[in-house]
Order: sequence, then C-alpha cells, then structure tokens
Amino acid sequence: EVQLVESGGGLVKPGGSLRLSCAASGFTFSSYSMNWVRQAPGKGLEWVSYISGVSSYIYYADSVKGRFTISRDNAKSSLYLQMNSLRAEDTAVYYCARSVGSEGYWGQGTLVTVSS
Amino acid sequence: EIVLTQSPGTLSLSPGERATLSCRASQSVSSSYLAWYQQKAGQAPRLLIYGASSRATGIPDRFSGSGSGTDFTLTISRLEPEDFAFYYCQQYGSSPYTFGQGTKLEIK
Repeated sequence: EVQLVESGGGLVKPGGSLRLSCAASGFTFSSYSMNWVRQAPGKGLEWVSYISGVSSYIYYADSVKGRFTISRDNAKSSLYLQMNSLRAEDTAVYYCARSVGSEGYWGQGTLVTVSS
Repeated sequence: EIVLTQSPGTLSLSPGERATLSCRASQSVSSSYLAWYQQKAGQAPRLLIYGASSRATGIPDRFSGSGSGTDFTLTISRLEPEDFAFYYCQQYGSSPYTFGQGTKLEIK
C-alpha cells in the first residue's frame, strides 16, 4: 500500500525556519518525481515545488523561490522542504504528492502556522 | 505562467443530474497535461482525471474529462450524494504547475 506521511509542521514566528519531511512507502521512491502543494485556510490549492526522481530537475513557485528548498533522500524514501524567511502568507497545510500518473497519491498534510 | 480559470465558481445541482465543470487556460497546455481533483472538507485532494481524459485508478466511470489546448471539461454524468465537493484542475505540463481556483459543487 502506498503511503505518504508528512511531518515537521508547527507554529513559527515570521522570519523563522521550518523543515518539512514526507516519508514514502509502498513504491520505488526513486522512480517517481514528487511535489509539495499547499492550501491556506479556506483557500484553494497552490503548487509549491517539484523534484524529479534523481533530483536532476527542481522547480519552484515564484512565491517561494529563494526561500524554500526541496530535496530528497532516495535511500531513506524521504522528501523534504526546507522553508526559510517564513511569512504569514505561508500559513497553510502542506501536502506532499507523487507526480500525476494513473494513480494519484497525496499525504494527509501537515499544518504550518506563521504567526508572532 | 499558465493561469487556469475555472467556471462556474459554484454549481448547484441535484443528485442524478449532470454536472459540467470548465477549466480554461491562458495558454495551451502542453501534451494535454491537465488533471482534475476532487477535495472534500478536511481531506487531501483525490486525483480523478489525468492527461485531460484518462480516469485515474478506481475512479467511477460517471467521471469523464475532455478537451485540449486551452479548454478542458470535467463531466459527472449522474451526480451521486458523495460527489458534492470542491473540484480543481491543474496543469503539469510546464512549471509552475498551476491550479485553478476551484469549483464548489453543492446540493441544490
């Protein structure tokens, strides 16, 4: 069974940092590109970042470019999102998601709250 | 950046009726890399359609997708009570992989 489990969310002050993790299981992690997607409270979905299977290609939304860094450790079947210089508008549930294919897999999300 | 505009914002229908949701792109979506998701309150999104018209594994055949270029449609042939939710389109052909703003499908 495919599972994606996010962790690392919490309350952080503006300007602070947080590192999110996503533990994957049930599939060959290195064979799939991965994404982070977020959803602010009561709002729609916003794509944040993409990383290819062996990290050759990495893309970011303009809203996080230069502040967030996506990475992965295929030996640990884990995906990461390092978030620096956090702002109030980064407050959201952050989902990790396997890239679109015949099956769609998303984690249940982890809440990040940026507030003083 | 490809901007996706979904319409209508809210669609009010009754169970058994047909639902037609639209997603229009500001520029052509390459290789029809267009997906549709369903999201219910407190849950992660669920992939319904990929490649504009292919149903994801386990998705009932009352869900269908069509379109190409800049105009895409999600059709639900006969609404079931569990279909009332939010629906989002996403293009994943060129970065940034943008989402539409969503359509709320509510019970009339």
